[in-house]
Amino acid sequence: EAGVAQSPRYKIIEKRQSVAFWCNPISGHATLYWYQQILGQGPKLLIQFQNNGVVDDSQLPKDRFSAERLKGVDSTLKIQPAKLEDSAVYLCASSLGGQGQSGYTFGSGTRLTVV
Amino acid sequence: AQSVAQPEDQVNVAEGNPLTVKCTYSVSGNPYLFWYVQYPNRGLQFLLKYITGDNLVKGSYGFEAEFNKSQTSFHLKKPSALVSDSALYFCAVRARAGTALIFGKGTTLSVSS
Repeated sequence: EAGVAQSPRYKIIEKRQSVAFWCNPISGHATLYWYQQILGQGPKLLIQFQNNGVVDDSQLPKDRFSAERLKGVDSTLKIQPAKLEDSAVYLCASSLGGQGQSGYTFGSGTRLTVV
Repeated sequence: AQSVAQPEDQVNVAEGNPLTVKCTYSVSGNPYLFWYVQYPNRGLQFLLKYITGDNLVKGSYGFEAEFNKSQTSFHLKKPSALVSDSALYFCAVRARAGTALIFGKGTTLSVSS
C-alpha cells in the first residue's frame, strides 16, 4: 500500500510569513494526526481528526495555526504568521481507527525553518 | 495527566552486545504502549506494541519489549545489536481508546563496530 504522503519536504520562510503543509493519508484510514517535532524533543500532537471531524486540538496554537480535513481524506496545516519557534518537523500520521489498538503510519515530514 | 519518560538521551553499545532502551510511563488505567524508530530525515517507523496479553512482545528487526505493570515500564531490548540499529527511538503511550499517542523525548542509540 502507498504510504502517508506529505509535501513539501522542506520549507524556509521568514518570520511573520504564512506557510501550508499538505498530507494525504493511507487510503481508508479514518484517523489523521498532525504532530510537531522540535529538534531534540519527541513529537507533540497538534490536532487529531476522525474522518472530517476534529477529535482533539487542545494543543494547537489556534491564534496562528489552523488545520482542515474537509472531505475526510487529505489534510492541510497552516501557520500564519510564523514565528521563529515554529521551526520544526511537522509530521502527519494516519491510522485505521481511533480505538487504540493500531499503530500509526507516519509520513516523512515537512522540515520548516523560520528565519 | 499521562506521560512517558525516556531517562537516557543516548545509549552506546558495541555491535553484537545486547541493548536496552528504557521507558517508563504514567497513565490511569491500562495503557497501550508502542515503540517507534526514526532514521535521519525519515518519518517514524512502527517497531512493536503492547495492548494486552503476554508481557514480552516481539516486533520488527529482532526487537522485543517487556511490559512490567508494577514498575510501569516498557523497556526495548535486542539480544545482539547491529550497527544498522543506530537511530532515534521513541516510546509512546495511549491512555485510552480514541486518544492520540503521547511520545517520550527519544533516545539515540549508537552501535559501534
